[in-house]
Amino acid sequence: GQQVMQIPQYQHVQEGEDFTTYCNSSTTLSNIQWYKQRPGGHPVFLIQLVKSGEVKKQKRLTFQFGEAKKNSSLHITATQTTDVGTYFCAGRDYKLSFGAGTTVTVRA
Amino acid sequence: SQTIHQWPATLVQPVGSPLSLECTVEGTSNPNLYWYRQAAGRGLQLLFYSVGIGQISSEVPQNLSASRPQDRQFILSSKKLLLSDSGFYLCAWSVGDDQPQHFGDGTRLSIL
Repeated sequence: GQQVMQIPQYQHVQEGEDFTTYCNSSTTLSNIQWYKQRPGGHPVFLIQLVKSGEVKKQKRLTFQFGEAKKNSSLHITATQTTDVGTYFCAGRDYKLSFGAGTTVTVRA
Repeated sequence: SQTIHQWPATLVQPVGSPLSLECTVEGTSNPNLYWYRQAAGRGLQLLFYSVGIGQISSEVPQNLSASRPQDRQFILSSKKLLLSDSGFYLCAWSVGDDQPQHFGDGTRLSIL
């Protein structure tokens, strides 16, 4: 069955630095979604990517869908304390499967 | 605008007791509805989803059940809770299979 894997599981970042989290699927995806869950909160939808090689930006966040539509990445530049939380990717082939998430902490 | 309500926010139940968690959506018609469970520090496990009244699909075998008595109401139930049922339960809705999901605030369930 479909598996969606995210790495790293934990990311400790110095405030102001950049980092990237990766999402890999065992199957080709029709689309991929990214969500953010703040500590104690619920997941909130960030973005959806559909096209091969698609790149979308939201302020300091850059999302990319791989050419083969089996992987995706989220790159955050100049990390701020407001970026703390867990970032989930969710990939769809015949169903939507969530990765285990990357939990981000920020050192001020 | 659409809103999703989920209650209660926190629940402590003894082993063997019944469970009923309710979720309602406002501002949309015929949404897809979902129940997820999230263990501490873990990802989201899809438990049930529904594409219409009375239509429930179960993703994993368990002692939980779901019902959709009305278009915008989704209920998660159990007749006898197990310790392993502890977790963070999230309800979500979407306008369709390929569309983003919107989550409720969740219920933190502790089984003693």
